[in-house]
Amino acid sequence: RKEVEQDPGPFNVPEGATVAFNCTYSNSASQSFFWYRQDCRKEPKLLMSVYSSGNEDGRFTAQLNRASQYISLLIRDSKLSDSATYLCVVNMGSGYALNFGKGTSLLVTP
Amino acid sequence: DAGVTQSPTHLIKTRGQQVTLRCSPKSGHDTVSWYQQALGQGPQFIFQYYEEEERQRGNFPDRFSGHQFPNYSSELNVNALLLGDSALYLCASSLWGSPTESYEQYFGPGTRLTVT
Repeated sequence: RKEVEQDPGPFNVPEGATVAFNCTYSNSASQSFFWYRQDCRKEPKLLMSVYSSGNEDGRFTAQLNRASQYISLLIRDSKLSDSATYLCVVNMGSGYALNFGKGTSLLVTP
Repeated sequence: DAGVTQSPTHLIKTRGQQVTLRCSPKSGHDTVSWYQQALGQGPQFIFQYYEEEERQRGNFPDRFSGHQFPNYSSELNVNALLLGDSALYLCASSLWGSPTESYEQYFGPGTRLTVT
């Protein structure tokens, strides 16, 4: 079983739609959680950290359920510029190395 | 504020050769991590350097080695290249310290290595 698993995607949605990505992790000792965004052939960029209480940044909302070892990302009012691959990221539980999911591709269409 | 820089951007090598990739961390950062990203996959952790020492290592063979210099820049060396080493190699920098600052890593543009 992979340490971080994400919806396989791809997700094709129209502009203005709401889309949700799910992610599960296997290491219960993990302490920090993130969503990164990666555009085609570019480096990953930190989108947001995920906190136990849930957090929101504009149109983006992240949720964490430690009991279920589950992380989610909700994007409201999708824009064309949101088209990218979204990577679920969890620290490895010891040290500071990050464990990435395979990523879920999002395509927002006009 | 200079971000993470990597060189070269692209590289083509032949199987069996050796390669060295370079990374300069973001200004103010002291920790460098290296990741390998194969096509269609998420990045995989190779190792992490702080204070010129390897602090943590992922599941990669000894053919992968690294170094960190006093100015915090870093090199990744891969010996005896295999076709399967073809990937995007990403360097990430962070600040060793509180968990929040250490876990938030900022990536460079990567070096795309092709092994033929």
